[in-house]
Amino acid sequence: DQQVKQNSPSLSVQEGRISILNCDYTNSMFDYFLWYKKYPAEGPTFLISISSIKDKNEDGRFTVFLNKSAKHLSLHIVPSQPGDSAVYFCAVSYSWGGATNKLIFGTGTLLAVQP
Amino acid sequence: GAVVSQHPSRVICKSGTSVKIECRSLDFQATTMFWYRQFPKQSLMLMATSNEGSKATYEQGVEKDKFLINHASLTLSTLTVTSAHPEDSSFYICSARRTGRYNEKLFFGSGTQLSVL
Repeated sequence: DQQVKQNSPSLSVQEGRISILNCDYTNSMFDYFLWYKKYPAEGPTFLISISSIKDKNEDGRFTVFLNKSAKHLSLHIVPSQPGDSAVYFCAVSYSWGGATNKLIFGTGTLLAVQP
Repeated sequence: GAVVSQHPSRVICKSGTSVKIECRSLDFQATTMFWYRQFPKQSLMLMATSNEGSKATYEQGVEKDKFLINHASLTLSTLTVTSAHPEDSSFYICSARRTGRYNEKLFFGSGTQLSVL
């Protein structure tokens, strides 16, 4: 049973526009949420995270929104750039304070930013 | 920034042979490392948690005798796929936990693509 779902396997966006990637989870006990970016044949790189006590966290062009009641988080990238083209994974954890414990990953969304 | 080195990046082996994958934290000590595998177009699935100086903790459904994990030092964890078979072909990724004063972070290796013929 998939505890973390990214229902859009792919997304195509024009350069300069906003990219919105979505993630849903099933267990309300998760308290830390992360987004990773992954290129083919490489390991994931950390992008941004948010704890359950917040509903928004912003870092440059990247903003993560958390809706606890809906068990939903999203990653906004604005403006989108061709270099953002990659697979984006959301991940959840039970641990507060960082990505310290076991991470449960979503299935990923392939983002293609068109020049 | 912190770097995790994973080696080899790609390996092709014959069925029945064993393959060792190394994961090193280059500029920090990692008492805990994690091993993941990823099948094409699927999510990263945690296989086991590797703890320095003690036995690894395996996730349900992962054969500990097939996937041997050794974490003998604070900077090195190894995953050995024993008697590999074609169904073991996958992308294996390690991550290392860096403990800081205020938070902890996970850093991932670049992964190992294993192909078993």
